[in-house]
Amino acid sequence: NAGVMQNPRHLVRRRGQEARLRCSPMKGHSHVYWYRQLPEEGLKFMVYLQKENIIDESGMPKERFSAEFPKEGPSILRIQQVVRGDSAAYFCASSLTGVSTGELFFGEGSRLTVL
Amino acid sequence: KNEVEQSPQNLTAQEGEFITINCSYSVGISALHWLQQHPGGGIVSLFMLSSGKKKHGRLIATINIQEKHSSLHITASHPRDSAVYICAVIPSLKKFYFGTGTSLTVIP
Repeated sequence: NAGVMQNPRHLVRRRGQEARLRCSPMKGHSHVYWYRQLPEEGLKFMVYLQKENIIDESGMPKERFSAEFPKEGPSILRIQQVVRGDSAAYFCASSLTGVSTGELFFGEGSRLTVL
Repeated sequence: KNEVEQSPQNLTAQEGEFITINCSYSVGISALHWLQQHPGGGIVSLFMLSSGKKKHGRLIATINIQEKHSSLHITASHPRDSAVYICAVIPSLKKFYFGTGTSLTVIP
């Protein structure tokens, strides 16, 4: 019974490269959330997705960041032309019925380091 | 301005002590979550509350919607409880606001 799976766990990129972070929610969960935790800072909401739909992306930087949750396969958080300030831990969480009514399950996080 | 305030920011306790962590928020919410983040970085959801009180083992969480306040209590604390405890509120069906976390260290 796998929980929320994130990969890669650690990713190193040089400035200007692209980073792709993947999140497979728990089986049956259609609500996926991405959060970012900058070094020495708290968690910040980035985006909320349901299958094939972006519900709320108000926490996503306007440029270079995008997220998707296709009908088949994992949710992907994509960061283009990474900069040093993108270095952070990116957490994904999933829920069966949404955060107002259902429990939230977190992945172990993907730690991005930009050189 | 932070929509969610936690106190204390850091807490050191002796093993066995009763611990309280507080969370105050300024927005109307539909639910509140208490999360635990271990030193390795993994996050676990402890409770989801929309009213009243919940108990799980040595952990108790309460919420007062009118006063916009929630507390997390740990009875008979243990060194393995050492972690960062994060309060997260859901003001709508969509997004979260997170507190900055309370770093708890329980000394044997």
